[in-house]
Amino acid sequence: GQQLNQSPQSMFIQEGEDVSMNCTSSSIFNTWLWYKQDPGEGPVLLIALYKAGELTSNGRLTAQFGITRKDSFLNISASIPSDVGIYFCAGQLGGYGGATNKLIFGTGTLLAVQP
Amino acid sequence: DTEVTQTPKHLVMGMTNKKSLKCEQHMGHRAMYWYKQKAKKPPELMFVYSYEKLSINESVPSRFSPECPNSSLLNLHLHALQPEDSALYLCASSQGTAGYEQYFGPGTRLTVT
Repeated sequence: GQQLNQSPQSMFIQEGEDVSMNCTSSSIFNTWLWYKQDPGEGPVLLIALYKAGELTSNGRLTAQFGITRKDSFLNISASIPSDVGIYFCAGQLGGYGGATNKLIFGTGTLLAVQP
Repeated sequence: DTEVTQTPKHLVMGMTNKKSLKCEQHMGHRAMYWYKQKAKKPPELMFVYSYEKLSINESVPSRFSPECPNSSLLNLHLHALQPEDSALYLCASSQGTAGYEQYFGPGTRLTVT
């Protein structure tokens, strides 16, 4: 099925470093979601974005909805070992108008944090 | 509370077995989903239920049969599966089917022998 371009594919960083990852699409989305997934567990919603240009924070995490509505990025500041996992972006084509709520997922970014 | 629960956590079944996966949410969400996820890949949508009616079947083989007994429960009945069906099966729910964030359960790790 369709997937979004997500980069980088993997990152290996030292504890305390900042992290940045992004997703791009050839299609316009009305909603961007960012999830984190630990091994063997389900994805956990981190941040939801609903408006172009919107910048939203959740603790050390900050995400932005690109102004063109075709991209989004996620920043993690001062990384800690528990930030380890796979991060997925997901775009939704449907808006608040009855359209089907299919999520199009990015390919994922594997984050490893060395203490 | 944004909890979606799934049982069992792990399931091993033979190719001739019949088993079921269960999903439950008590958030009053009216849309529920089944996804299949292979290792290191994003989740792949299988089915969408909206207001207890099947609204999307992503061309899933008939050996997977979904059921939504009520607005809080979602089942996935499995029969005559193949080894390549081994994967993490995820349930998710959302308030509605348009423009709402989806919340995932912890998944069922299925192994078909």
